[in-house]
Amino acid sequence: KNEVEQSPQNLTAQEGEFITINCSYSVGISALHWLQQHPGGGIVSLFMLSSGKKKHGRLIATINIQEKHSSLHITASHPRDSAVYICAATRGPLHSMDSNYQLIWGAGTKLIIKP
Amino acid sequence: DTGVSQDPRHKITKRGQNVTFRCDPISEHNRLYWYRQTLGQGPEFLTYFQNEAQLEKSRLLSDRFSAERPKGSFSTLEIQRTEQGDSAMYLCASNLLGRGSETDTQYFGPGTRLTVL
Repeated sequence: KNEVEQSPQNLTAQEGEFITINCSYSVGISALHWLQQHPGGGIVSLFMLSSGKKKHGRLIATINIQEKHSSLHITASHPRDSAVYICAATRGPLHSMDSNYQLIWGAGTKLIIKP
Repeated sequence: DTGVSQDPRHKITKRGQNVTFRCDPISEHNRLYWYRQTLGQGPEFLTYFQNEAQLEKSRLLSDRFSAERPKGSFSTLEIQRTEQGDSAMYLCASNLLGRGSETDTQYFGPGTRLTVL
């Protein structure tokens, strides 16, 4: 069983739909990241969460530490949102010089938004 | 553009040749990471540096792989005697440790796509 699991693996939706991508993790983490990977390999970090909720434009990320679950939501989806969305977890306490900031990656969710 | 650059963007080489990739992180970032991503897979951690010190290496990093960050700024990743299984996207990321949660986010470069024929 992977330590970080995402669902769904693939998601196709129509422009304007509300999108939810889920991430569950089984390890103790200090932070959870959502990243976006465009075709061709470029990776952009969207959010880093250790609790609660963050919002940036049409993107919202939430995390429930007790349930070890995070979600990424996209409101009013657009074809330019088409990408692979990756959930990744950071082990170890934040701000510690001894921390290993290695990211434990989920397998990614391939999102296609059709016009 | 995240501010992290990698060179070259693409490299095609014959099996058995040596290749070297370069990563220039965001200038004030003290941590630098190398990842490898094969087609259809998530990125795999290879190694990371705190300033010029290489603090951890994955067991994926065989003896043919070596990474350096001599002055704590740019980093190089060298693969000796390349094999076809080395074909992948090599990603570099950087961040700044300990200055607040927002700056712990890793910023990724565009990657170097290696094809070994």
